[in-house]
Amino acid sequence: DADVTQTPRNRITKTGKRIMLECSQTKGHDRMYWYRQDPGLGLRLIYYSFDVKDINKGEISDGYSVSRQAQAKFSLSLESAIPNQTALYFCATSDGAGGTEAFFGQGTRLTVV
Amino acid sequence: QKEVEQDPGPLSVPEGAIVSLNCTYSNSAFQYFMWYRQYSRKGPELLMYTYSSGNKEDGRFTAQVDKSSKYISLFIRDSQPSDSATYLCAMSEKDSSYKLIFGSGTRLLVRP
Repeated sequence: DADVTQTPRNRITKTGKRIMLECSQTKGHDRMYWYRQDPGLGLRLIYYSFDVKDINKGEISDGYSVSRQAQAKFSLSLESAIPNQTALYFCATSDGAGGTEAFFGQGTRLTVV
Repeated sequence: QKEVEQDPGPLSVPEGAIVSLNCTYSNSAFQYFMWYRQYSRKGPELLMYTYSSGNKEDGRFTAQVDKSSKYISLFIRDSQPSDSATYLCAMSEKDSSYKLIFGSGTRLLVRP
């Protein structure tokens, strides 16, 4: 089983719909991140969390919200999806020690029509 | 201006060639420098990591950091078709968040 699991892997939704992307990890890491990847723009940070009680906005948080339900679970919500939120979304974890390595999930390909 | 600039490629080379991938950055506070490799339909995986300036070698891969020029490089020797992937540079400051700032990625194709 993957250390960082994202569900769903693919999703098509309509404009205005609420959608939730889920992430769970078995790494035992405290830090969890949500990134989106767009062609030509690389990965951009949406939100990050140091623990259940600590949520922080990233570079592009507008239109998104998150919930850290437990150390192992970090969900990303789009309250009212719009077409320019069509992207590949990645969840990542790290142990924060020296900022060395982030472990990524397989990604969720979201299409908003 | 983006904090991290990376040529998107694609870069196409014959098998066995030496590949040079580069990123430039503007934030002098960056202390951690990483290269991630991303295969199609997969999440990025850490390939190389360097703290501050200097070189680091791991098998066919060498990472170089020149903080005075704000320039980092990844060299791949004896490139193989299995090296075909997108290579993303990433950097972070030495603060408590360890947020990674990524380049846009360079797509590499190694032709057999």
